[in-house]
Amino acid sequence: AQSVTQLGSHVSVSEGALVLLRCNYSSSVPPYLFWYVQYPNQGLQLLLKYTSAATLVKGINGFEAEFKKSETSFHLTKPSAHMSDAAEYFCAVSAPKAAGNKLTFGGGTRVLVKP
Amino acid sequence: EAGVAQSPRYKIIEKRQSVAFWCNPISGHATLYWYQQILGQGPKLLIQFQNNGVVDDSQLPKDRFSAERLKGVDSTLKIQPAKLEDSAVYLCASSLDRSRTDIRGELFFGEGSRLTVL
Repeated sequence: AQSVTQLGSHVSVSEGALVLLRCNYSSSVPPYLFWYVQYPNQGLQLLLKYTSAATLVKGINGFEAEFKKSETSFHLTKPSAHMSDAAEYFCAVSAPKAAGNKLTFGGGTRVLVKP
Repeated sequence: EAGVAQSPRYKIIEKRQSVAFWCNPISGHATLYWYQQILGQGPKLLIQFQNNGVVDDSQLPKDRFSAERLKGVDSTLKIQPAKLEDSAVYLCASSLDRSRTDIRGELFFGEGSRLTVL
């Protein structure tokens, strides 16, 4: 079984500051890992994904995440926050060899960007 | 390309009433998912279809929830009778082909249907 834990349900950053969202996973097999973003009153959209290739993954809107097997982590970062980054971010895990595309999501981290 | 369409966007009902949500996935997407997102939590998979067959419904409360995808395209999720704890956003998502590892986990979500049970 797979699971993810997102540390911090809310994060507040100043515009231009570093954004760091933490995600730790648990998986009995090498996982695939994802970050999704949800803007207010919208569905989720894929930011980036790790699928066992490069451990540093670059996504849309300047976000990137690094897979660290030793720490079972997949933290999301962005060097400089923009007001448009205010949203909720979800980390998710799937088992590559499992049937289907079943994703297990974390509880989410809501990002507030202060001017 | 049109995205995943869901309706209604909002629904308010009394407990013990019934409700149905509709989803039309992206054209050509074989796999369709229904997720439940309770306020403050991450989405939880309720049911997954591959074409018109059920792949996974292990977390669907079958005593009150049902879902179908009769022609392998659009889908309906029904709740009957509703309970207070069913208040949530019901998200529909679709993906091209669950067997393709290169796109594994790439789901396209609709805007969701927000249900309030009073």
